[in-house]
Amino acid sequence: NAGVTQTPKFQVLKTGQSMTLQCAQDMNHNSMYWYRQDPGMGLRLIYYSASEGTTDKGEVPNGYNVSRLNKREFSLRLESAAPSQTSVYFCASRSSGPPLPYGYTFGSGTRLTVV
Amino acid sequence: GDSVTQMEGPVTLSEEAFLTINCTYTATGYPSLFWYVQYPGEGLQLLLKATKADDKGSNKGFEATYRKETTSFHLEKGSVQVSDSAVYFCALSRAGGGADGLTFGKGTHLIIQP
Repeated sequence: NAGVTQTPKFQVLKTGQSMTLQCAQDMNHNSMYWYRQDPGMGLRLIYYSASEGTTDKGEVPNGYNVSRLNKREFSLRLESAAPSQTSVYFCASRSSGPPLPYGYTFGSGTRLTVV
Repeated sequence: GDSVTQMEGPVTLSEEAFLTINCTYTATGYPSLFWYVQYPGEGLQLLLKATKADDKGSNKGFEATYRKETTSFHLEKGSVQVSDSAVYFCALSRAGGGADGLTFGKGTHLIIQP
C-alpha cells in the first residue's frame, strides 16, 4: 500500500547513544517532515525538507540532524540521545499539486525511549 | 506566529451523545484547516479539511465549518459511537500552501462509554 513507512517502530537507547530513524514515502511527494509527539504538547515540528536537497529547522531542532537522501527518503539522527528525547516520532510527507489544501500523510510512528 | 488552541481533555461522553470539540486559531491570511484523528497505537489520519471561509468539511459523520469571523473550526458529530474513542487534533497550514508544515493543537482525548 502507498504511504509513509517508518523504521524502527520501537527503540530503547541509553543516554549518549546515537541512532537514525528512517522514513520513506512512495507517493512522489516533494516535501517531508519529522514531528515529535509528547503528552499534552501535541505534535511539534523538528525538521522539514521542502524538496530534495533542502532541509530546514522547525520548532524544536536542537539535538537532531536530518538527511534528505533522495526524493523518497528523509532520515532523522540523534547523535547523543538524552532522556528529554523520549517521545513518539512521526514522519510525514505532503503532496504539492493542486487543489489546496495539500494533503499530508503520516507514518505510524517510532516510539523511542532513552534511559 | 501561527497557533492552534483546542479544548483540553479528556472528554468523556456516553454513546449516541452529541460531540463538540472546540478549536480556534491564530494565523495571518487564510490558512487551510484540518482535523486529524489518532487511534490508540497508530499514526494520524486525516478526518476532514477546509480551505476557505464558510467551507464545511465532513467525513464519517463528523463536520467542521471554517469560521473566519471567529477564527474557529469546531468539530461536531451528532451521535458518537464507542469506536470514535481516540485523540483528535486540530491543525492549520499557513496561507498560500507553504511547505513549512502543519501547526497542531495539543490534542483532545475523547472517550466514549457504552
